[in-house]
Amino acid sequence: EPEVTQTPSHQVTQMGQEVILRCVPISNHLYFYWYRQILGQKVEFLVSFYNNEISEKSEIFDDQFSVERPDGSNFTLKIRSTKLEDSAMYFCASSGVAGAPLHFGNGTRLTVT
Amino acid sequence: GEDVEQSLFLSVREGDSSVINCTYTDSSSTYLYWYKQEPGAGLQLLTYIFSNMDMKQDQRLTVLLNKKDKHLSLRIADTQTGDSAIYFCAEGDYGGSQGNLIFGKGTKLSVKP
Repeated sequence: EPEVTQTPSHQVTQMGQEVILRCVPISNHLYFYWYRQILGQKVEFLVSFYNNEISEKSEIFDDQFSVERPDGSNFTLKIRSTKLEDSAMYFCASSGVAGAPLHFGNGTRLTVT
Repeated sequence: GEDVEQSLFLSVREGDSSVINCTYTDSSSTYLYWYKQEPGAGLQLLTYIFSNMDMKQDQRLTVLLNKKDKHLSLRIADTQTGDSAIYFCAEGDYGGSQGNLIFGKGTKLSVKP
C-alpha cells in the first residue's frame, strides 16, 4: 500500500539553527499537511498546502515556518532559528482529494538543544 | 474553540471487547476519524465515519456516532495483544477547514494476555 515517507526519523539541532524536515507524500495525492505533537500533548495542525500554495495555517505557523514543494515528489517544512519549544514530533500527511482521509507518515522527532 | 476529549488509558484482557470513547464540541464536524499509533510509528488511519451516519462496521471494528450528544466510540471485538497502541479520535469540518483535523490526546490501550 502506498505510504507517506518522512526523513530523517530523528533530528537533533542546536537552538537558533535552521532545520528542514522532508516528506514524500503518496504519489497521486494533491493535498499536503504538516502537524506536530509536543510530548504529552495533542497532535496539532500546522499548515495545509494545495496547488503550490498554503491553503490554511494555524496560529502556530508563524514567520519562523515555511513550506515548499521543490519538485514533483517532495514536500518540506523549514523551521528558521529553532527554539527549545519547537522540540516535537512533526507529522506530514497527504490526501487525494478535498475531504478524503489524511494519510500520515511516521514522523520526524525534532530535538532542539 | 473546538475540542476533542478522550480518556487517557484503557486496559482489557485478550479476547475481550475494548470500547474507546470520544466527545467533541464542533457541531459542524463532517468526518470523524480513529487513528492508531504504535510505539515509534506514525498515525495509521483505522476507520472514519461521516457525520450523517450512526454506525460503521469494518471487521473487528465498530464505530458508533451519537451526533446529538457529540459522542463517538470505537469498539474492538476480540482484542489482541497486537491491538495495544494509542488510539486517537479526530474530527474534521470539510465545509470549513480543509484538512485541519482536531485531535484528542489519545487513549492508550493495554491488552493483557
